[in-house]
Amino acid sequence: ETGVTQTPRHLVMGMTNKKSLKCEQHLGHNAMYWYKQSAKKPLELMFVYNFKEQTENNSVPSRFSPECPNSSHLFLHLHTLQPEDSALYLCASSQAGLAGGETQYFGPGTRLLVL
Amino acid sequence: QKEVEQDPGPLSVPEGAIVSLNCTYSNSAFQYFMWYRQYSRKGPELLMYTYSSGNKEDGRFTAQVDKSSKYISLFIRDSQPSDSATYLCAMRQGRNEKLTFGTGTRLTIIP
Repeated sequence: ETGVTQTPRHLVMGMTNKKSLKCEQHLGHNAMYWYKQSAKKPLELMFVYNFKEQTENNSVPSRFSPECPNSSHLFLHLHTLQPEDSALYLCASSQAGLAGGETQYFGPGTRLLVL
Repeated sequence: QKEVEQDPGPLSVPEGAIVSLNCTYSNSAFQYFMWYRQYSRKGPELLMYTYSSGNKEDGRFTAQVDKSSKYISLFIRDSQPSDSATYLCAMRQGRNEKLTFGTGTRLTIIP
């Protein structure tokens, strides 16, 4: 595997379900990100982790819970979501701190539908 | 006012035409400017990266930044059907600061 991988690629869940999205980066990077992409809206940054420490939480509702067990893996735990949470969830990674190394590399995303 | 404005399109042009994609922004502190390309069912991939004002060319792609007008452009020469995708502009203030994205412009190149 190369680059940034995400599983599952598609997910349908009810509002009372609990599910998790997984992201893995094979680039040796030290920063990882979760973004939400909705139709006709800019990418919204949700969470940032640098060296496994959460450095940013952009006022994301508590029904989204991130977890970063190591610098290669990132999870997004989902609980009691709302239909308006249906979107493409993108994971990205970068090598923070190096000149030119802060370019973010994105995974293919998980298409989430909340019923 | 949004920090970054980008016409969502859709934009359709014939194969071989020159394509011009643009973004305007309001925050004069932005210094790093990027263009990402996103194919259907894929994540965004970095296409062009520029710092401050000026032009940068890479093959058929040219990125321009005019900080005085707060305006950035991406030009695609000799457009191909494989260029059909959504193009996202993105920018940041400092090297390790968060990215602010435009909404993306959906481009279709007609054979």
